[in-house]
Amino acid sequence: KNQVEQSPQSLIILEGKNCTLQCNYTVSPFSNLRWYKQDTGRGPVSLTIMTFSENTKSNGRYTATLDADTKQSSLHITASQLSDSASYICVVSELDAGNMLTFGGGTRLMVKP
Amino acid sequence: DAGVIQSPRHEVTEMGQEVTLRCKPISGHDYLFWYRQTMMRGLELLIYFNNNVPIDDSGMPEDRFSAKMPNASFSTLKIQPSEPRDSAVYFCASSLQGRRSPLHFGNGTRLTVT
Repeated sequence: KNQVEQSPQSLIILEGKNCTLQCNYTVSPFSNLRWYKQDTGRGPVSLTIMTFSENTKSNGRYTATLDADTKQSSLHITASQLSDSASYICVVSELDAGNMLTFGGGTRLMVKP
Repeated sequence: DAGVIQSPRHEVTEMGQEVTLRCKPISGHDYLFWYRQTMMRGLELLIYFNNNVPIDDSGMPEDRFSAKMPNASFSTLKIQPSEPRDSAVYFCASSLQGRRSPLHFGNGTRLTVT
């Protein structure tokens, strides 16, 4: 069964600090992995997509990494801001499986001043 | 573009009542998805449409749930009769064809069934 596990479940950091969120998956065959940010009371918004051949991709202060061999991804947030407080959801797409996506349970990040 | 628009934002109803959730996808998107989000189970796919045709409804919990997409700009998710365990946030999302296309989510409808 395809699974996506995220850690930690929740995290509190001080403004200006860095943090890294983890995503492990068992989805196979792998197509792509996407990180979404979900603000409280809003729908998730895509931050970045990682395909099999990509190891690192940045989007401003967000940097995602992918190790397709170990089936792990991380999302690193640099110089955190209060607006980074949100849930971050890892979503993995299976190759040749139409629109079947496997969602992780999310990491809830709180940035405190 | 206004994005995916869902209504109502909040719905409180009594057990046994009919509930209808509405969604307007982004113009030009040919896929539409209905998801349910709870603390315990996270995001779960209920049903999705391609070009207004239901493709996979295996996530619909039971016969009390039904979804329609009468045209490219409108979809509904109906629960009849509603039960307290249906309380959740229901999201509609749309996307363009292709696995590299992101899902564009609405801001959800928070449903509370008492």
